[in-house]
Amino acid sequence: EAGVTQFPSHSVIEKGQTVTLRCDPISGHDNLYWYRRVMGKEIKFLLHFVKESKQDESGMPNNRFLAERTGGTYSTLKVQPAELEDSGVYFCASSNTGGGTEAFFGQGTRLTVV
Amino acid sequence: AQSVAQPEDQVNVAEGNPLTVKCTYSVSGNPYLFWYVQYPNRGLQFLLKYITGDNLVKGSYGFEAEFNKSQTSFHLKKPSALVSDSALYFCAVRDRRDDKIIFGKGTRLHILP
Repeated sequence: EAGVTQFPSHSVIEKGQTVTLRCDPISGHDNLYWYRRVMGKEIKFLLHFVKESKQDESGMPNNRFLAERTGGTYSTLKVQPAELEDSGVYFCASSNTGGGTEAFFGQGTRLTVV
Repeated sequence: AQSVAQPEDQVNVAEGNPLTVKCTYSVSGNPYLFWYVQYPNRGLQFLLKYITGDNLVKGSYGFEAEFNKSQTSFHLKKPSALVSDSALYFCAVRDRRDDKIIFGKGTRLHILP
């Protein structure tokens, strides 16, 4: 069974540019989560999809961030325009619904804004 | 609001000694509780979880964790540490009502040979 995959693994962009991160969850997982970790700090919750619907987007920093999950399969997270403070590692995770099942994580995308 | 606290940024333990990595949480109701480990340049790997039942749960690589409802804690433990256990450990809680998962800030575990 394929795990959660994220693309790209690394991205270096200039301030003001646009970047789109992609996450392919484990097939059949309704829950999809995005997180960000800035160096040495917590893994901060960004948002949570259930199928194609945004269940909770309370962690999205501002309106420069846009997440989509068309058709309830893969998800994209777009940052436009990127700022220096957006640098960090963006993790995606997926899980089944309910029952205390654990979430499975992708390798993360390391975003560096210069 | 939900929160997870890992009070120690770093824990140093000599190889062969027991280790404990602390975690406390604040969430409404009875959450599911998890521990994850991250090795360098890798994603997070699931270690163990508490859903219900026995307060002591066992997981991968000889790790275990003890759920204490009165203290709202879920400390990670291992009887005898290995150098290969050196990594970053994250505690997480999952809300039973909406499946939201939040993490602590992580604790770096150093096992000294």
